Amino acid sequence: KAGVTQTPRYLIKTRGQQVTLSCSPISGHRSVSWYQQTPGQGLQFLFEYFSETQRNKGNFPGRFSGRQFSNSRSEMNVSTLELGDSALYLCASSSQAGGLEDTQYFGPGTRLTVL
Amino acid sequence: AQKITQTQPGMFVQEKEAVTLDCTYDTSDPSYGLFWYKQPSSGEMIFLIYQGSYDQQNATEGRYSLNFQKARKSANLVISASQLGDSAMYFCAMREPSTGANNLFFGTGTRLTVIP
Repeated sequence: KAGVTQTPRYLIKTRGQQVTLSCSPISGHRSVSWYQQTPGQGLQFLFEYFSETQRNKGNFPGRFSGRQFSNSRSEMNVSTLELGDSALYLCASSSQAGGLEDTQYFGPGTRLTVL
Repeated sequence: AQKITQTQPGMFVQEKEAVTLDCTYDTSDPSYGLFWYKQPSSGEMIFLIYQGSYDQQNATEGRYSLNFQKARKSANLVISASQLGDSAMYFCAMREPSTGANNLFFGTGTRLTVIP
């Protein structure tokens, strides 16, 4: 089975621009979660989608948004980029929404640099 | 309060030796799941091992085992027979399904360096 894929792998943007990141989950997985990883804040949960619906959202401003398509692929969008948005954005998929041992499998991440 | 605490920013281990990476957690839920992930320099988070709060036995997966002490709220990862390829960041994470959320809470990680 192919793993979680994320595109693009690297991205350079300037302040004020917007960006869209894409994530394709493992085949058959319906839950997709997004995380932001920075040296200062570590790994922080952004949001989770299941069956095209946002189920949970972390503590991030409204500039961060996402969506999920009927094939479970997900995109996240960041508008009006700030320098502090520079981070590794990780996508994770799991077979179901919730459940104690529902393991999340991560993609390679998209490294976003905001200049 | 931090839900997951990893107190070792960095650890060194000799090749072929065993190493223990510490993880303590904080939750009032009786039901929770604990995970360990490895993150090489490439950035991808690789799932290693899972322990459920109700599991009677410590989890094991190949060279990885989890020293789960529920009363102490600790879930230390033990890597046996370390290999050079084990050099990476290691993250402990927890899920609390009673919150209705599927997300994981991560610790700050431990950077493991295996010395030849």
